[in-house]
Amino acid sequence: AQRVTQPEKLLSVFKGAPVELKCNYSYSGSPELFWYVQYSRQRLQLLLRHISRESIKGFTADLNKGETSFHLKKPFAQEEDSAMYYCALSGTGANNLFFGTGTRLTVIP
Amino acid sequence: NAGVTQTPKFRVLKTGQSMTLLCAQDMNHEYMYWYRQDPGMGLRLIHYSVGEGTTAKGEVPDGYNVSRLKKQNFLLGLESAAPSQTSVYFCASSRPRTNTEAFFGQGTRLTVV
Repeated sequence: AQRVTQPEKLLSVFKGAPVELKCNYSYSGSPELFWYVQYSRQRLQLLLRHISRESIKGFTADLNKGETSFHLKKPFAQEEDSAMYYCALSGTGANNLFFGTGTRLTVIP
Repeated sequence: NAGVTQTPKFRVLKTGQSMTLLCAQDMNHEYMYWYRQDPGMGLRLIHYSVGEGTTAKGEVPDGYNVSRLKKQNFLLGLESAAPSQTSVYFCASSRPRTNTEAFFGQGTRLTVV
């Protein structure tokens, strides 16, 4: 069975401080992992996916298959990063997308 | 380009009433999904569809039915609403390729009293 765990419901950091949002997953096959973000009064949108190995808005995430983790990191948090962040998992060839419980990030000025 | 549009945006129902939520996408996506978002529970998949005329159950399908008569539309029905179905409902669509992005609607806030 697929499972995505985000252990922190709430996370507050000061502006300029590093940020790490944790995500662990459980999946028997080859996982595809994503981070989605929901800013206030906006739609849920894709932030980044592990296959792309890209940095979006200063955020990066590395898939660690040994630790079954896909943590989201940013070296210097900005106020505009305050949002709800969801880690999501799909399996290769699967046709559904499962989400974690989300972490609400607040960046304190 | 409208993307994914949900109708209605807000609704209040009495217990036992029925209603249908409509999701429409104009991106010619094969896959469509219905999620509910509850505090502390994240997004939970209710039902999904991999193409016109096909639907499948997700994590929390009980109390809901869906239909995908047209490729661009995915309907979510509540036959007899219960207070436990008070939630924000999100529709999403995507292409059927590996690692593809899902596009979300703006959400429907449903309250059952």
